[in-house]
Amino acid sequence: QVQLQESGPGLVKPSQTLSLTCTVSGGSISSGDYYWSWIRQPPGKGLEWIGYIFSNGNTYYSPSLKSRVTMLVDTSKNQFSLKLSSVTAADTAVYYCVRYENHRSKYYFDYWGQGTLVTVSS
Amino acid sequence: QTVVTQEPSFSVSPGGTVTLTCGLSSGSVSTSYYPSWYQQTPGQAPRTLIYNTNTRSSGVPDRFSGSILGNKAALTITGAQADDESDYYCVLYMGSGICVFGTGTKVTVL
Repeated sequence: QVQLQESGPGLVKPSQTLSLTCTVSGGSISSGDYYWSWIRQPPGKGLEWIGYIFSNGNTYYSPSLKSRVTMLVDTSKNQFSLKLSSVTAADTAVYYCVRYENHRSKYYFDYWGQGTLVTVSS
Repeated sequence: QTVVTQEPSFSVSPGGTVTLTCGLSSGSVSTSYYPSWYQQTPGQAPRTLIYNTNTRSSGVPDRFSGSILGNKAALTITGAQADDESDYYCVLYMGSGICVFGTGTKVTVL
C-alpha cells in the first residue's frame, strides 16, 4: 500500500518561501508510471492543483502559480518537494502530496497524503 | 484561464438519486478530458471515486457511477446514504500536463 506523508513548517512569514517535503513509502518514486503532485486547499475553499513532477525531474505547474513554484525529486530518499516563493496570506492552505497515475490512458490522483496546514502570517 | 464548473450544492433524500455535473466555462467535456471524481468529508483528505469518466476506484460502492451527459461529465449517486454527505470534486485533464479541479459540490443527505 502506497503511503505519502507531508512534512515542513506550519508557519511561514509573508514574502518568504514555503517549503514542504513528501516522503513516499510502499512504492518507488522512480516508477515510470506516476507523477508526484502537490494540491492545496485554503480553509473553507476548494481544491487547487499546484503541479507535479516525474522521477526524471520533468515538471508541470499550474499556469496561475508557475512563476512562484519549484518542485524537486530525490529518488535516493524516495521524496519529492515543493517550494513556493513570495507567499502571502492567500497561500494559507492545507497542502496535500498526491500520486498521479499517468499511464495506459489513465489520468487521475490515486493516493493522497493526509495533508499539512501551512499558515502564512507574521 | 479555464474554469471547471460544478453546482455549488445539492440536497438528496436518503435512498434517492442525485446527479452532479462538471462542465467547462467554454467548450464541452468529453472522455478525452479523462474526468475523475473525488469525495471529501470535513477534515479528511479526498478519496478517489471515479476515473477515466466511468471507472470506479477500488472499494467504491457501485451506487457511484460516472458518465458524460450532454456536454458535461457527470457523477450519479443512486440510493444515497447518510455517509454520502460530502463535498465532491471533479478533475479534468486539459492536455500538456495540466489538470484543473472543479469548483466542488456540497451534497447534503436529508
